[in-house]
Amino acid sequence: NAGVTQTPKFRVLKTGQSMTLLCAQDMNHEYMYWYRQDPGMGLRLIHYSVGEGTTAKGEVPDGYNVSRLKKQNFLLGLESAAPSQTSVYFCASSYVLAGGDNEQFFGPGTRLTVL
Amino acid sequence: AQKVTQAQTEISVVEKEDVTLDCVYETRDTTYYLFWYKQPPSGELVFLIRRNSFDEQNEISGRYSWNFQKSTSSFNFTITASQVVDSAVYFCALTEGGGKLIFGQGTELSVKP
Repeated sequence: NAGVTQTPKFRVLKTGQSMTLLCAQDMNHEYMYWYRQDPGMGLRLIHYSVGEGTTAKGEVPDGYNVSRLKKQNFLLGLESAAPSQTSVYFCASSYVLAGGDNEQFFGPGTRLTVL
Repeated sequence: AQKVTQAQTEISVVEKEDVTLDCVYETRDTTYYLFWYKQPPSGELVFLIRRNSFDEQNEISGRYSWNFQKSTSSFNFTITASQVVDSAVYFCALTEGGGKLIFGQGTELSVKP
């Protein structure tokens, strides 16, 4: 099992360029998440999905779009990159059991720099 | 609203010292889960422990132990006899509705030889 994988691992963009980050999981999890990690701010949820074909906004959704066309994939798009989007992006997936038990499994991260 | 506070931004200890990382949370839910994750210098996030709100027993796993106290809304993490390999950023997290987790800001632990 590969677990959660992310593509690419590193990327440098110029302001205004667009790109898509791909997350894939092979654990048959219903839930998938995109986070960004910035120094001193922990992980902040960008968007998440509770199942194929569904998406929802997290804490910091502005400037990002997502799609979940297949259960195993969750795509994060930046339509017009800005320097404020320089960050490390983590994808995660999880089961969610009764009572909210929700261990999230994380991908290795994507380091994005926007110049 | 749910909130997780890790007041210690950075901690530095010398190898073999014991160290406790604090985590204080706020929630109105009666059923919830708390987590600790480790992020070593290589950058990946490693799951350490999950604890539900009905289980206040302390947990020990080797040199790691966790103290969950609902009365003070705290879920503290202690490393006994710290080692250089323990150097990492540690995150505490709390379940939020809809399958989400809310993370604290993280505590960067540096263990010097």
